[in-house]
Order: sequence, then C-alpha cells, then structure tokens
Amino acid sequence: AQSVTQLGSHVSVSEGALVLLRCNYSSSVPPYLFWYVQYPNQGLQLLLKYTTGATLVKGINGFEAEFKKSETSFHLTKPSAHMSDAAEYFCAVSEFGGKLTFGQGTILTVHP
Amino acid sequence: NAGVTQTPKFQVLKTGQSMTLQCAQDMNHNSMYWYRQDPGMGLRLIYYSASEGTTDKGEVPNGYNVSRLNKREFSLRLESAAPSQTSVYFCASSETLQETQYFGPGTRLLVL
Repeated sequence: AQSVTQLGSHVSVSEGALVLLRCNYSSSVPPYLFWYVQYPNQGLQLLLKYTTGATLVKGINGFEAEFKKSETSFHLTKPSAHMSDAAEYFCAVSEFGGKLTFGQGTILTVHP
Repeated sequence: NAGVTQTPKFQVLKTGQSMTLQCAQDMNHNSMYWYRQDPGMGLRLIYYSASEGTTDKGEVPNGYNVSRLNKREFSLRLESAAPSQTSVYFCASSETLQETQYFGPGTRLLVL
C-alpha cells in the first residue's frame, strides 16, 4: 500500500528566503510523485510531477523537487519565497500512475 | 474551456437530508474522481470512474453513491447526510487513470 507523510503541517518563511517542504512516501513499486498547491478557497493545481527519468523536476512558479529513491523522499524547494507563494501544498503518490494518495498538507506562510 | 466545474459551491443540510453534488468536465477526459478534504487529513478518495460506464470505491465510500451520467458528468449523492460528512468535496478528472488529475473549485458542505 502506498502512503505519504508531509513533515510539518505549518511552515513559515520570510520573503526572499528558501522554501523547503518535506515529503516522504511509501510505495511497493516505483512511484509517480506529485506536488499540488491550493490557494484559499480554490481547487488544487499541479505544481510538478515525477514519473520516470531525471530525478530533479522543475515545476511552475520557480518550484522544483528531487526524487531520492534511497531516502524515499520528494522534497519541494524554491530558492526565494514570494508573498504569492502563501498557500497549502500537498504531496501525492500513485503506483504506476494510478489512484493518488495525498499527504496531510503543509500550509506555507510567507512574512514580509 | 471551463475545465472542471462543480455545483453547488456551498450547501447547508440537516441531518438525514439528501443531496447530489454535480461535476462536469469539458476536457474530454475518460477518468473522473470525487475526493473529500478535511483539515489535517489531506484529500481522500471517495469514488472514481476510470471510464464512462464504470465506477469503483475509493478509500472512504461509505455513505455515498455515484453516477457516471456520461463522459462529461460524474455526480456524488448523499442519501442521508450525517454531520461527519461536513467537508469540502472536490471533483477531478484526467485523461486516463495514469495522467495528471485536474481539480474543480470544490463544494463546501455543512451538515447540521
């Protein structure tokens, strides 16, 4: 069975600082991995995804994530936070690209 | 393209009442999904439809029924609402089960 753990339900950074949102997964087969972002009162929007190939994946809005099989991790980073990055972020895993299992979510707050 | 649309946006029900949440997509996707989002629990899959004419249970199907009316529309029905079904409901669609899911804006349901 697949599962996802997001470390830290709330992360707070200053504008211009590094953003690091942590995600660890469990999967019995090579996983597909996703990061989604949810802005207040909106649906989820795909930030980036890893299926196969290059382990460093670049997404929208300057975000990227690295698939590390040995650590079963898929952490999301952005070098410099912007106020508009404030949102809730969800990591998700699927096996062979099938049904998604989501993590609990991390709320990112960006301070001026 | 409107993408994925959901109606209503907000609904208040009394315990025991029934209602149907509507979802439609205009992307010619084969697969559609219903999730519920609760604080601290991420999104959990209620039901999904891999293709027109098929539906399958997800992680939390109890108390719900679904209908894949046609390729565009996938409805979720609560026959006898309970306070535990107070949640935000999201519909999503994808070209196939293996492709990226696109989410609607959500329906906020309050059961008193």
